[in-house]
Amino acid sequence: EAGVAQSPRYKIIEKRQSVAFWCNPISGHATLYWYQQILGQGPKLLIQFQNNGVVDDSQLPKDRFSAERLKGVDSTLKIQPAKLEDSAVYLCASSLLRGTQETQYFGPGTRLLVL
Amino acid sequence: RKEVEQDPGPFNVPEGATVAFNCTYSNSASQSFFWYRQDCRKEPKLLMSVYSSGNEDGRFTAQLNRASQYISLLIRDSKLSDSATYLCAVFSGGYNKLIFGAGTRLAVHP
Repeated sequence: EAGVAQSPRYKIIEKRQSVAFWCNPISGHATLYWYQQILGQGPKLLIQFQNNGVVDDSQLPKDRFSAERLKGVDSTLKIQPAKLEDSAVYLCASSLLRGTQETQYFGPGTRLLVL
Repeated sequence: RKEVEQDPGPFNVPEGATVAFNCTYSNSASQSFFWYRQDCRKEPKLLMSVYSSGNEDGRFTAQLNRASQYISLLIRDSKLSDSATYLCAVFSGGYNKLIFGAGTRLAVHP
């Protein structure tokens, strides 16, 4: 079974530039998550989709971050404009359903460096 | 106070040693608990869920103490390949999402 795919794997940009990340979840997984993991910290949830609807974006800095999952499959996360503190690994995860015991499967992440 | 706290380590242990990590959580309404393993520059992978009665998977044993609000992970007979960061994760019913600790780094040496 193919895992969660993410691209690009690495991105270096200058502050105030824009960047977009792409995620393709495991086939059939209804729930998709975007996490930000800063060096030395655990992953922090940015946004959660159930099919193509947002169920939680309380931790998404909406002045600069946006995300969509238009057809309920692939998702993109955008940062515009980027700040130095956005340097982190952006992890996409998916799960079959939403629920307290649902296993989340993570993609390899996109490592972003903002200069 | 952070919602999920872990000792960052590193724990440096010789092969064959037994090592234990704790993770405390602040929300008494938390519903489910997990240990994830994260290798350097890799994504987190589920190691095991933590059940109220405790559970074991080979050399790994996970325990939950609801009264004191912590979970633990015990690794017996440590292998070099166990070297990684171990993240605890708590599903907070109030927030309806998984909250991760910062991780505990384990280094197993020959």
